Amino acid sequence: AQKITQTQPGMFVQEKEAVTLDCTYDTSDPSYGLFWYKQPSSGEMIFLIYQGSYDQQNATEGRYSLNFQKARKSANLVISASQLGDSAMYFCAMREVPPGAGSYQLTFGKGTKLSVIP
Amino acid sequence: DGGITQSPKYLFRKEGQNVTLSCEQNLNHDAMYWYRQDPGQGLRLIYYSQIVNDFQKGDIAEGYSVSREKKESFPLTVTSAQKNPTAFYLCASGTSGTDTQYFGPGTRLTVL
Repeated sequence: AQKITQTQPGMFVQEKEAVTLDCTYDTSDPSYGLFWYKQPSSGEMIFLIYQGSYDQQNATEGRYSLNFQKARKSANLVISASQLGDSAMYFCAMREVPPGAGSYQLTFGKGTKLSVIP
Repeated sequence: DGGITQSPKYLFRKEGQNVTLSCEQNLNHDAMYWYRQDPGQGLRLIYYSQIVNDFQKGDIAEGYSVSREKKESFPLTVTSAQKNPTAFYLCASGTSGTDTQYFGPGTRLTVL
């Protein structure tokens, strides 16, 4: 079973509008973390935002916010006031300690391609 | 500037050859990671190292080898035993606490 599910292979958004990218996760570890990364066409993975499983408030970083719904196991990324430079692949990832592993590992979803329309 | 560098950006290899991908960081991070990305896919973990002179296999370690002789460096060797090595390879290093990982620009390996 997939640990990170991103159900939207591609999304379009009008410039200056807000957009929500979906992410659901599956873990039995009570202590975990959720990350969003942006990958432009150049290939580099750019860290955007982090949410810890025990954090009471939703994380925010500038135009990025993470809508964390723990009971539903969802961690959606909201981008406000979209810009042309936001066009990229977006990956959701979860940090946990897999059984038998001695340290944290990241598991990535398959990504969502966001296209911002002028 | 602090960051992670990977070289080369593009690498071409003939079948049967071993190649080594370089990854260097000056962020003073203890942990370093190697991932592979295939078209239309997320990242898959190859190897990781939490400390110098120690490393562990990830999900797809077969056909790869690593070393961690210095804190700043974590080279990846793609051996001839790797049956389908053409892919995009990303190196990352990590902080403690949130374990946020920061990535290098990647190396695109093509087997001819």
